[in-house]
Amino acid sequence: AQTVTQSQPEMSVQEAETVTLSCTYDTSESNYYLFWYKQPPSRQMILVIRQEAYKQQNATENRFSVNFQKAAKSFSLKISDSQLGDTAMYFCAFMKQTGANNLFFGTGTRLTVIP
Amino acid sequence: DAGITQSPRYKITETGRQVTLMCHQTWSHSYMFWYRQDLGHGLRLIYYSAAADITDKGEVPDGYVVSRSKTENFPLTLESATRSQTSVYFCASYSRGVNTGELFFGEGSRLTVL
Repeated sequence: AQTVTQSQPEMSVQEAETVTLSCTYDTSESNYYLFWYKQPPSRQMILVIRQEAYKQQNATENRFSVNFQKAAKSFSLKISDSQLGDTAMYFCAFMKQTGANNLFFGTGTRLTVIP
Repeated sequence: DAGITQSPRYKITETGRQVTLMCHQTWSHSYMFWYRQDLGHGLRLIYYSAAADITDKGEVPDGYVVSRSKTENFPLTLESATRSQTSVYFCASYSRGVNTGELFFGEGSRLTVL
């Protein structure tokens, strides 16, 4: 079975600063995807960034980047130049590359950006 | 409009009542999923479907029933609602080979069971 652990229930960061959200996972699969989803107060689930496990290069999307350490099964999200609109719940998620393609979610980190 | 829609967005019901949450997607995605979101648990899979007439249990299926007679629809039914089923429910869809690995989520349905 796959498990995803987010050990930081809540975090805060000053506007324009950088923050890193942690995520670890456990799996016996060798091919899989990892994701960070953002859930603002509107409740909509928004894909922030995606990483394919076979790629060594860390994914980046504008101010968002990941630190993917496959051997350590770690997948942290770095948000640079934090903005008020980044205030949200962030979920780390895992998907096997084969089978049902279900997402396994962590319990989430609530991020607050302080003006 | 194209996308994935859920209805109702909000529902209050009483213990023992039957409730159906609807999910409709316009992309013809083969896979559809139902998750529930609870504080401290993240999102947990209730049921999923790989295609029309093919469904399977997820992590927390007890008390729920699904059907998928058409590719675009995936309703979730609580046959006899309990207070522990008070939650926010998300429907999602996915198609292999398109936007690899990404699920598309509906806006969620908040269900309160009194």
